Amino acid sequence: AQSVTQLGSHVSVSEGALVLLRCNYSSSVPPYLFWYVQYPNQGLQLLLKYTSAATLVKGINGFEAEFKKSETSFHLTKPSAHMSDAAEYFCAVTEGAAGNKLTFGGGTRVLVKP
Amino acid sequence: EAGVTQFPSHSVIEKGQTVTLRCDPISGHDNLYWYRRVMGKEIKFLLHFVKESKQDESGMPNNRFLAERTGGTYSTLKVQPAELEDSGVYFCASSQMRGGDTGELFFGEGSRLTVL
Repeated sequence: AQSVTQLGSHVSVSEGALVLLRCNYSSSVPPYLFWYVQYPNQGLQLLLKYTSAATLVKGINGFEAEFKKSETSFHLTKPSAHMSDAAEYFCAVTEGAAGNKLTFGGGTRVLVKP
Repeated sequence: EAGVTQFPSHSVIEKGQTVTLRCDPISGHDNLYWYRRVMGKEIKFLLHFVKESKQDESGMPNNRFLAERTGGTYSTLKVQPAELEDSGVYFCASSQMRGGDTGELFFGEGSRLTVL
């Protein structure tokens, strides 16, 4: 069975500071990994995905994530936080590349301080 | 192009009542999914339609939940009778079918259900 753990349900960062959101997964097969973001009053939007190609994946809005098999991690980073990054972020895993039947982590809500 | 739309955005009902949630996927998307997030918990898979057929309903919690997708277009999720533990946000998502690849999921804003 697959599972995803996101460390920290809430993260507070200052504008301009590094954003680091942690995600660890477990999967019995090579995983496909995703980060989704939910802005206030919106649906979930795909930020980026790892599908067994490059281990460093670049996504929208300056975010990137690195797949580390040895650490079973897929942490999300952004070098410089912007006020518009305030949202809830979800890490997810699936056995399929396309992303159906996702298993989600608990989510991390990001607060950006001016 | 319209995205995935869900209705209602928020529903408040009493225990024992019935609620029907609706999802309109993106036009042309054969795959339709329902997910649910109970307060403080993870978003969890409920079921997957391919056109009008249920491909996987392994996440449906019990027989009080009934999902339909007549004609392979919009879908409804009925909860009857509703219980307190059914409260949460119900997300719908859709994707195109590309051969064996079901494509990127596009999510709606969710329907928040509150059972009192």
